[in-house]
Amino acid sequence: ETGVTQTPRHLVMGMTNKKSLKCEQHLGHNAMYWYKQSAKKPLELMFVYSLEERVENNSVPSRFSPECPNSSHLFLHLHTLQPEDSALYLCASSRATGSGYTFGSGTRLTVV
Amino acid sequence: GESVGLHLPTLSVQEGDNSIINCAYSNSASDYFIWYKQESGKGPQFIIDIRSNMDKRQGQRVTVLLNKTVKHLSLQIAATQPGDSAVYFCAENAGGTSYGKLTFGQGTILTVHP
Repeated sequence: ETGVTQTPRHLVMGMTNKKSLKCEQHLGHNAMYWYKQSAKKPLELMFVYSLEERVENNSVPSRFSPECPNSSHLFLHLHTLQPEDSALYLCASSRATGSGYTFGSGTRLTVV
Repeated sequence: GESVGLHLPTLSVQEGDNSIINCAYSNSASDYFIWYKQESGKGPQFIIDIRSNMDKRQGQRVTVLLNKTVKHLSLQIAATQPGDSAVYFCAENAGGTSYGKLTFGQGTILTVHP
């Protein structure tokens, strides 16, 4: 365990389904991130929340909808996804400028 | 925009050899650098970090070297073991945000042969 917990670990969903990914941290961090990682590709930053406010949205399609209800929880709501959205979705958190991220183990998403 | 890149996308070594993974960065304002290890099916895990006021930092079997003159970062792994097989990412913090945004390199795949 790294201190950042992601659920579920694996998810298979149809293109018409609605599902949510959950991320939880109790490290006292005040920033949380969603990354997409496709096979053998760099990490793609999707969203950043700092002090529960969304501060970055990197041109992510609207079929991905983040939610940060408090500083310990982060969600990624999914609807009408495409097969190319299949990837490992990683959550991370950090404390402040000049410190690193702590990553969760990721959710392996497969869209069929 | 600024980016962090890697010289070698793959590296194969024999067990017991030393490994060197390289990273080039282009943002001269970056003041903090981190190496992460990502094993198959897992999220990236922190290995070692270094601040820009240092040239070298050592951990257990790992050493990070920072050359600010040529904007180069390297990770040295001594006596590489099969368990070291993973993807290694460098990351830099160039500042400019209140939340410590990191920019990641593309990653190097390290394969250790027994």
